[in-house]
Amino acid sequence: DQQVKQNSPSLSVQEGRISILNCDYTNSMFDYFLWYKKYPAEGPTFLISISSIKDKNEDGRFTVFLNKSAKHLSLHIVPSQPGDSAVYFCAASDYSGGGADGLTFGKGTHLIIQP
Amino acid sequence: KAGVTQTPRYLIKTRGQQVTLSCSPISGHRSVSWYQQTPGQGLQFLFEYFSETQRNKGNFPGRFSGRQFSNSRSEMNVSTLELGDSALYLCASSWGDGNTEAFFGQGTRLTVV
Repeated sequence: DQQVKQNSPSLSVQEGRISILNCDYTNSMFDYFLWYKKYPAEGPTFLISISSIKDKNEDGRFTVFLNKSAKHLSLHIVPSQPGDSAVYFCAASDYSGGGADGLTFGKGTHLIIQP
Repeated sequence: KAGVTQTPRYLIKTRGQQVTLSCSPISGHRSVSWYQQTPGQGLQFLFEYFSETQRNKGNFPGRFSGRQFSNSRSEMNVSTLELGDSALYLCASSWGDGNTEAFFGQGTRLTVV
């Protein structure tokens, strides 16, 4: 049972436009969500996170939106740049102040920015 | 500030052998988590260690084990290797108090032949 789902294996966006990557989850105990970016042969790099008490978090060109009722989050990249081409992973944690730091990851979305 | 260091970067082992992978977390981080990445399954959580104790464990067989030392460095061991164990093994470190991002190493690429 996949608790974190990224239903788009790939996404192609024109440079300068907005990239929107989506993620759905099923476990209502998840209370912390993260996005990671990964280049081939490298480890994932942390991008941005959001706590379940918020519905939006912004950092430069990256904004994450959380809709708890729909169990859905999205990552917006504006404007998209060629260097943004990578695999993006959505991850979730049910830490809740007492558990462990294991993250549940989606299978990733390969973002391709076209010039 | 040095990042998460994993050694070795690449390994080739034969079926039935065992392997030990090493991870040095970011200085001050007390939590080390291990993940397996394969093309079909994505990133899957193996286990997490905090202050030398396994705090959480994913759904992997007992052939996968780990430990953490007093300096927070961690090792992961896989015994009786199978072809399906071929994967990128990633280690991530964090402060361990939850709701903080985990920082990943570059991974160890294990190939079982």
